Amino acid sequence: RKEVEQDPGPFNVPEGATVAFNCTYSNSASQSFFWYRQDCRKEPKLLMSVYSSGNEDGRFTAQLNRASQYISLLIRDSKLSDSATYLCVGTMIKAAGNKLTFGGGTRVLVKP
Amino acid sequence: NAGVTQTPKFQVLKTGQSMTLQCAQDMNHNSMYWYRQDPGMGLRLIYYSASEGTTDKGEVPNGYNVSRLNKREFSLRLESAAPSQTSVYFCASSGYRDSPLHFGNGTRLTVT
Repeated sequence: RKEVEQDPGPFNVPEGATVAFNCTYSNSASQSFFWYRQDCRKEPKLLMSVYSSGNEDGRFTAQLNRASQYISLLIRDSKLSDSATYLCVGTMIKAAGNKLTFGGGTRVLVKP
Repeated sequence: NAGVTQTPKFQVLKTGQSMTLQCAQDMNHNSMYWYRQDPGMGLRLIYYSASEGTTDKGEVPNGYNVSRLNKREFSLRLESAAPSQTSVYFCASSGYRDSPLHFGNGTRLTVT
């Protein structure tokens, strides 16, 4: 089983709708999480950091459920520009250097 | 703000050739990373450097070497390129513990 798993999608979303998807992690020692957005063939860009139970930034809400070991991302009022691949990252802090594990990404397509 | 700068942006090599991918960051970050991304495979860690003077293997280190030249620079070397190393390579850096990664623009490498 991969340490961080995501539904690859694609999630086809009508413009203006709400979409939510999860990221599950297997290592309970993971301490912090991040959501990145990646556009085709470009570098991942940080969307949101999640250090405790969740975070909200405008139309984006992330929630962390440590008991069930998943983190979710919800996008409200979807825009065409939200079309991208969303990467979930789990982090474990180690003396030798933080271990960051990426999920495979969830592709979101927002359509008019 | 330059952030993380990678060179070159594109490169085509013949099998057996060698090359070095350069990465520099101007954010005074301690940790630096090299990832490769292949279609459908997500981001895979090649090597990382938790601090100046240290380097460690990641998930897929075979065929690569790295040098942490100083705090700013972290280079990735392919001694004898193989077609399996055709990929997009991303350098990233992070500062304090459990902080997010900042990515460079990527190097698109093709080995024929």
